[in-house]
Amino acid sequence: EAQVTQNPRYLITVTGKKLTVTCSQNMNHEYMSWYRQDPGLGLRQIYYSMNVEVTDKGDVPEGYKVSRKEKRNFPLILESPSPNQTSLYFCASSLGQSISYNSPLHFGNGTRLTVT
Amino acid sequence: QQQVKQSPQSLIVQKGGISIINCAYENTAFDYFPWYQQFPGKGPALLIAIRPDVSEKKEGRFTISFNKSAKQFSLHIMDSQPGDSATYFCAARGGAGSYQLTFGKGTKLSVIP
Repeated sequence: EAQVTQNPRYLITVTGKKLTVTCSQNMNHEYMSWYRQDPGLGLRQIYYSMNVEVTDKGDVPEGYKVSRKEKRNFPLILESPSPNQTSLYFCASSLGQSISYNSPLHFGNGTRLTVT
Repeated sequence: QQQVKQSPQSLIVQKGGISIINCAYENTAFDYFPWYQQFPGKGPALLIAIRPDVSEKKEGRFTISFNKSAKQFSLHIMDSQPGDSATYFCAARGGAGSYQLTFGKGTKLSVIP
């Protein structure tokens, strides 16, 4: 089944403890991206990647890192999490190097992160 | 910053009624307008999308109406059903080759029997 898989689904951690949220897609998609979803703020882009080893900042990149060493994987790294990073995180991918009518965005089922 | 303004924030519609969600934008470079549907515990899923050279796109009970001159687009759900209860997001892409979708803040739709 074609899908974007995120792990873990739920994560509770403490301030300052480094964590990684994994994202993997099995559709051979070029483009991958991370979003955070907060009540009243909608979906905001954190980072995106157009191809292996090519990444760029989205609208809210502060406090996050990403890497794209393989086409299928795009992990999100929080090196020193803080409570304001408590959120619902989504990984997404699309076929082409950008998003388009013929290359829509496909989302994973989310990771709910709580930082205490 | 590029923005897409979505309204209403929440909507309650009776079964069989029409649900209407509106979005407005300022950036005339936006050239692709998808709508996403999100159920609790799930990621957003593409529902329907439109390009700005088309004024209307219909897929089953879902229709996008697009008004380029007013820089507005809307989602209409005809014969709304309880199974349509979800959060809906409009979005816009910032021009050909853009790597970003700008999302509205979402509308929580509840369809009551």
